[in-house]
This record gives sequence, structure tokens and C-alpha cells, in this order.
Amino acid sequence: SQQGEEDPQALSIQEGENATMNCSYKTSINNLQWYRQNSGRGLVHLILIRSNEREKHSGRLRVTLDTSKKSSSLLITASRAADTASYFCATAPYGGSQGNLIFGKGTKLSVKP
Amino acid sequence: DVKVTQSSRYLVKRTGEKVFLECVQDMDHENMFWYRQDPGLGLRLIYFSYDVKMKEKGDIPEGYSVSREKKERFSLILESASTNQTSMYLCASSSYRVPYNEQFFGPGTRLTVL
Repeated sequence: SQQGEEDPQALSIQEGENATMNCSYKTSINNLQWYRQNSGRGLVHLILIRSNEREKHSGRLRVTLDTSKKSSSLLITASRAADTASYFCATAPYGGSQGNLIFGKGTKLSVKP
Repeated sequence: DVKVTQSSRYLVKRTGEKVFLECVQDMDHENMFWYRQDPGLGLRLIYFSYDVKMKEKGDIPEGYSVSREKKERFSLILESASTNQTSMYLCASSSYRVPYNEQFFGPGTRLTVL
């Protein structure tokens, strides 16, 4: 079952601009993760935020989590052409099967040079 | 460097053929997963395994089976391939030592069934 829903489905920006992607989910979670997928390749883990955290940073990435609204956002600052990829949120449901994640459908980001 | 490998990047098979997709991880992970990815549908879990010889159905197991005879290897089997199984197949692994931690993905196998 698909829990995470990313918004927007597609995003096109100029190099140097910030990119914001949102994720909404339905059930209680242990943590929420963001992954990146370059065209035709596997997914790569970017960042994990636990349910008791509100914000997390990693380099040019900033993730927020609002458990009361069941939503998260991923901000990529000062985007580069190399950031062009699809971005997926994945939730680890509270009480769910060990290790299982539920992935959203992704946001396709295009960064134009 | 952690690694998940898949036996083929591209595969073309005919309807009715038996298809084996192999996945190997070198991280001594307990958990392994098979997903399929289709445009507009995201990743959907087919099967997963917590340990050798153990398997659990995911969201879309119909038409598939799996085998995990060794800890590092998880195989996905299409008993009789059909055109609606044309898709990108992704294998992933994770460790239960840090619960709900990140999954490590292979590069994917793009399967076309004619």
C-alpha cells in the first residue's frame, strides 16, 4: 500500500534556486526517509528523520517533519544541474513489519543550467 | 563500500518463459526486498525476507516467487512471464541491527516481456 504522497509530481527550476518537495502520509510512523533516484538507476538514501525530530540538515538538504499534520518537506538549497533526479519519501510505519518502508510515487526534479 | 548487485541491467524475455532475477548484497544484511517500479505507481513491494529461507508477501506477490538459500542472495522468480510484468525491478537490503534504518538498493533490472 502506498502511504507517502509527494507533491508536486514534477518540479522544474533554474540552477541556484531552492527546490522544495512535500510528502504526506496517513499512519503513525517511526521515521521518515528521503531517497534520490537518478534516471534508470537504483535509489540512494539521502536523510532520515525520526518521529520525535522536527528538523534535520545534511549539507544542502533540510528536512522537516510535522507529525500532527502527517507531512514532511525536503528542501534542496542552491540547486545544481546534478540534482536533477526523482526524489521519494519513505515511511517506516509504527508497528509495521520490521525493516519495511512504504514509498511514495516521487517528485521528478529538473534543474536547468 | 556497501554494495547490492543485480544480475542484469536489461533483460528481454518471451511470454511464458521462466525468469530469474538475482540479487546479491555484501553487507551481511538480514533483510532483503524486491520491488517493482512503474511510471506513476512508484515502488511496490513484491516480496521480502528477514532471514535465510524466510519470505513474506508484499503488496503485489501474484505471479512471483522468491528464494533465499543464502543470506547474501535473494532471487525473484517469474514462473511464467507475462507482458504485464514488463517493469523495472529493484532489489534492496537493510540491517535489523538498527531497526527501520535505510535500505540499500541495487542498480535495477529493466525487464521487457514480449
